[in-house]
Amino acid sequence: QVQLQESGPGLVKPSETLSLTCSVSGDSVSSGSYYWSWIRQPPGKGLEWIGYLYHSGSTNYNPSLKSRVTILVDTSENQFFLNLRSVTAADTAVYYCARAYGDYVWAADFWGQGTLVTVSS
Amino acid sequence: EIVMTQSPATLSVSPGERATLSCRASQSVSSNLAWYQQKPGQAPRLLIYGASTRATGIPARFSGIGSGTEFILTISSLQSEDFVVYYCQQYNNWPSTFGPGTKVDIK
Repeated sequence: QVQLQESGPGLVKPSETLSLTCSVSGDSVSSGSYYWSWIRQPPGKGLEWIGYLYHSGSTNYNPSLKSRVTILVDTSENQFFLNLRSVTAADTAVYYCARAYGDYVWAADFWGQGTLVTVSS
Repeated sequence: EIVMTQSPATLSVSPGERATLSCRASQSVSSNLAWYQQKPGQAPRLLIYGASTRATGIPARFSGIGSGTEFILTISSLQSEDFVVYYCQQYNNWPSTFGPGTKVDIK
């Protein structure tokens, strides 16, 4: 069974960098078949796909966040990471890591439980 | 960016009855449409992809239909655990985008 687990600070100050880790078990982030993704959900609101990793290192980002986002991978630890720079209160959200099918099918079949990140001084 | 809309925002249905949820795309997404269920405090759960293919382990009471810009999710006989929020998502164009959700509550 594939499992994903987010970890990282729950509180980030405005203008700083939000950094999260997704630890994966039951599958390999080196697998070329899937899109290893970050998705977020502001409290009480809808979902936004931040970006994804594929083919062990290639990335694609939502244009609305592209200037501030980096997704990285550590295949030896079977983890991938989210860095979101220059955060504001609008970046307060539950952040999920997820696995999507790949081959241009961005349907996410396995998700982490999510981690709430609050941006506040 | 493709904008997804869902209707109604809230749907009131009695247990055991059928629920019909609608999703519309601002331009054609072919059949590249997924549906998710989200319970309070949990991550979304994939129900349907390819507009009509049930994901692994999803009960047969969930079905999807549609193509282009108009899509329907039907829950044939609502169980107590089905009274939660449902989202549609298009993945025809990047960025993939989600609808605002439909909350199904008990009538």
